[in-house]
Amino acid sequence: DAKTTQPPSMDCAEGRAANLPCNHSTISGNEYVYWYRQIHSQGPQYIIHGLKNNETNEMASLIITEDRKSSTLILPHATLRDTAVYYCIVRVPLRGNTDKLIFGTGTRLQVFP
Amino acid sequence: EAQVTQNPRYLITVTGKKLTVTCSQNMNHEYMSWYRQDPGLGLRQIYYSMNVEVTDKGDVPEGYKVSRKEKRNFPLILESPSPNQTSLYFCASSLLAGFTDTQYFGPGTRLTVL
Repeated sequence: DAKTTQPPSMDCAEGRAANLPCNHSTISGNEYVYWYRQIHSQGPQYIIHGLKNNETNEMASLIITEDRKSSTLILPHATLRDTAVYYCIVRVPLRGNTDKLIFGTGTRLQVFP
Repeated sequence: EAQVTQNPRYLITVTGKKLTVTCSQNMNHEYMSWYRQDPGLGLRQIYYSMNVEVTDKGDVPEGYKVSRKEKRNFPLILESPSPNQTSLYFCASSLLAGFTDTQYFGPGTRLTVL
């Protein structure tokens, strides 16, 4: 019951920007969009998250559309080490003050020389 | 170094032999969780814990137990493992359980049940 849709795979040339799209058309007003990545079979690594506004950190930028139904993760200068599976996640609230991450199958990004 | 550790990293066992996978975090996080990852199914939550002595079922809790006697440790117990529990397991923790608290994942435990 993942709430996001991502392309299964993408390629990107080293040094170019990688733009990874995500569709979350059923997102609710208080649900955040999170991005994680998983390199090979290592533990998932947090990248960035946002609610309404665009966000940027040292790893990436997150662009969220005004209607919040989709977002794009941007890796400005992809390197070979960015080859990984990228997960777009909407955090689903549970009872009380907790929530959970629902991982879909993600986008496998291949960065080539 | 702030981290989540899991042990063992690799385990091959036989059906019915009880085992425990340990998880420990050194960040004083309140929230901890276990996931399993299977090909084509992504990561699925097994159990989570909001704080010491507070645990709850995730999406796939059958065949697993957990305990949270101390804040830093959250072991995953398989009382009678079966082959369908062969999987890659991840422990995660976050400061709190709120919407903006980042979850940090351990390196994973690859379990094979014969």
